[in-house]
Amino acid sequence: QSVLTQPPSVSAAPGQRVTISCSGSSSNIGNNYVSWYQQFPGTAPKHLIYNNNKRPSGIPDRFSGSKSGTSATLDITGLQTGDEADYYCGTWDTSLNTEVFGGGTKLTVL
Amino acid sequence: QVQLQESGPGLVKPSETLSLTCTVSGGSISSISSSYYWGWIRQPPGKGLEWIGSIYYNGNTFYNPSVKSRVTISVDTSKNHFSLALNTVTAADTAVYYCARQYVERVTIFGVVTLGYFDYWGLGTLVTVSS
Repeated sequence: QSVLTQPPSVSAAPGQRVTISCSGSSSNIGNNYVSWYQQFPGTAPKHLIYNNNKRPSGIPDRFSGSKSGTSATLDITGLQTGDEADYYCGTWDTSLNTEVFGGGTKLTVL
Repeated sequence: QVQLQESGPGLVKPSETLSLTCTVSGGSISSISSSYYWGWIRQPPGKGLEWIGSIYYNGNTFYNPSVKSRVTISVDTSKNHFSLALNTVTAADTAVYYCARQYVERVTIFGVVTLGYFDYWGLGTLVTVSS
């Protein structure tokens, strides 16, 4: 049971937009920055979004993040088949003094 | 460009100690002005990410309560690497183990640390616990 809650899977057609949610509480998302990671099968997670909505160098602007209250969202527009991957949200939990992750969301591009 | 590389045995017997090392290149762990901790994250086969713990260059550590009684993370600045030791392992500890660099989000005037995102990751190493 993950501290942060993500939908297990989402799907959409190429070119469409998809949203992945990440729900937490005041001790984690509510008071700290959220980051997002992209993971392809058999590879290490890749840093995708940090500080709620910032993109590291090299990440296309098709990927965007936002946060409101105790929830965060990853938006992917102009979906491509190469976006098929698992996506994880993460943040610090101030009460637990622990980094916490969501359970991960598998994106399928139909 | 910072690079991290995990190393260690791929097979550990139940009840024994899992030991891994993460060697960092392209940057120094021991920079006094460092804004980074160095962490371990694991991923059981077919499952999600679980943070194990993180260490600062001066040895300050944070651990996941779920493994805190069994884990020790240490740092060797002279070798620019940090290590994970997890004792009394069971099959439930079978996972891909990643090391990663973790940004220090803020430190309050009281010394309370908030950690942030992981920006550089190692490739990961599979550790199987089996007799």
